Amino acid sequence: DTGVSQNPRHKITKRGQNVTFRCDPISEHNRLYWYRQTLGQGPEFLTYFQNEAQLEKSRLLSDRFSAERPKGSFSTLEIQRTEQGDSAMYLCASSLVSPLTGSEQYFGPGTRLTVT
Amino acid sequence: DQQVKQNSPSLSVQEGRISILNCDYTNSMFDYFLWYKKYPAEGPTFLISISSIKDKNEDGRFTVFLNKSAKHLSLHIVPSQPGDSAVYFCAASATDSWGKLQFGAGTQVVVTP
Repeated sequence: DTGVSQNPRHKITKRGQNVTFRCDPISEHNRLYWYRQTLGQGPEFLTYFQNEAQLEKSRLLSDRFSAERPKGSFSTLEIQRTEQGDSAMYLCASSLVSPLTGSEQYFGPGTRLTVT
Repeated sequence: DQQVKQNSPSLSVQEGRISILNCDYTNSMFDYFLWYKKYPAEGPTFLISISSIKDKNEDGRFTVFLNKSAKHLSLHIVPSQPGDSAVYFCAASATDSWGKLQFGAGTQVVVTP
């Protein structure tokens, strides 16, 4: 397994357009997280899945954002009617939580979104 | 509300010397702490973690110290190497938060020859 992958790596879109990002987690991991990072800041939590169930959403995740994880494998993050303030790096992470492991999350390379 | 703070935005250290990165937190419910390293155009890479039941964890050149009473943790890198030049993020989570991480703003480390 090569780790968490994200596609596309870069996306430039015009304001008002919809965009969709994909994350493929490490295959045996049961938790998947989405974060957003802007310049000079650490990643900020957006949402989290345990298998296919979306269990928590940040107040940062407006109604224009939606995330899915069908069948508990890959996940998609869609942003509708993009705004310039949505420009950021969108990071996906996965983890395997069991009584024997810690809670460290492994991140993908991110998708850089630029809204013009 | 920034619950995890890294007050030093940058740190310059000579190769072979010790790098000390600091992190403070305000939420007493945090019980698991992690350090990540990030190179430009890459995602954060997990370095080392510590549970609140410990006060020290060591992995090779990296040691994390936790002072729960002061709500403070630090990362020591000994000896520092040029490849350690990166942004380092402190992160914390609480047991009842499903592993959701809260990150500090990061410290840019530059290791000079």
